[in-house]
Amino acid sequence: DGGITQSPKYLFRKEGQNVTLSCEQNLNHDAMYWYRQDPGQGLRLIYYSQIVNDFQKGDIAEGYSVSREKKESFPLTVTSAQKNPTAFYLCASSIMLGTEQPQHFGDGTRLSIL
Amino acid sequence: AQSVTQLDSQVPVFEEAPVELRCNYSSSVSVYLFWYVQYPNQGLQLLLKYLSGSTLVESINGFEAEFNKSQTSFHLRKPSVHISDTAEYFCAVSASGTYKYIFGTGTRLKVLA
Repeated sequence: DGGITQSPKYLFRKEGQNVTLSCEQNLNHDAMYWYRQDPGQGLRLIYYSQIVNDFQKGDIAEGYSVSREKKESFPLTVTSAQKNPTAFYLCASSIMLGTEQPQHFGDGTRLSIL
Repeated sequence: AQSVTQLDSQVPVFEEAPVELRCNYSSSVSVYLFWYVQYPNQGLQLLLKYLSGSTLVESINGFEAEFNKSQTSFHLRKPSVHISDTAEYFCAVSASGTYKYIFGTGTRLKVLA
C-alpha cells in the first residue's frame, strides 16, 4: 500500500542537540510538507517542497532545516536554535503543489525535550 | 489572506444523536475547502472536500458538509454518530492560485455511550 512513513514515532532531544525526523513517501508525489501541531493551535507550516532540490520556508521555519535530495524523502532537522521544539510533527505530500490537491499525512513524530 | 475559524473546541454528543461541527472561513478569492479527521497519535485523513460544483459533499462514512458562500461556512454534519467517530476534526481552506492550506484549530468530537 502507498503511503507516508514517519520515523521515529517518539523522539527525545537534549539541550543543544540537533535531531532529524524522517519522512518517506511511496505515492510518487511531487510536493511534500512539514507541519508542526501544538494543542489548540491547529497545524502550522514549517517548510514545503515542490520538487527535488527545491524547498521553501513556511510560516514558522526558524530553527528548522530540510533537504529534498530524492523525490521520496523530505527529512526535517530540528536545530538547537529552535527553543521550543516540543510538539507533534506531521509530514504530508500531494500529487503536485496546488491547493486543490488533498494532502496525505504520515502518522507523525512526537518530539520532547529531556 | 485567508483564515478559518472553528468556534467549538470540544463537542460532546451521545451515540446515535446528530452532530454539526462548525467551520467559517474568510477569503477575498475563491477557495477550496476540506475536512480532515485525526485519531489519537495519528496523522490527518481526508474526510471530504469541496472544489467546485455541487455545494453538498459527502464522505463514505456518513458525514456531509455544505459549502455556503453567502455565509462563508462549510459545516460538517452527521445524522447519527457512532463511538468510533470520536476524534479531532480539522477544517482547512486554501485559496485558488496559492500553494497554502490554512487549518482551523480543530474540534474534538467525543461520542458518549
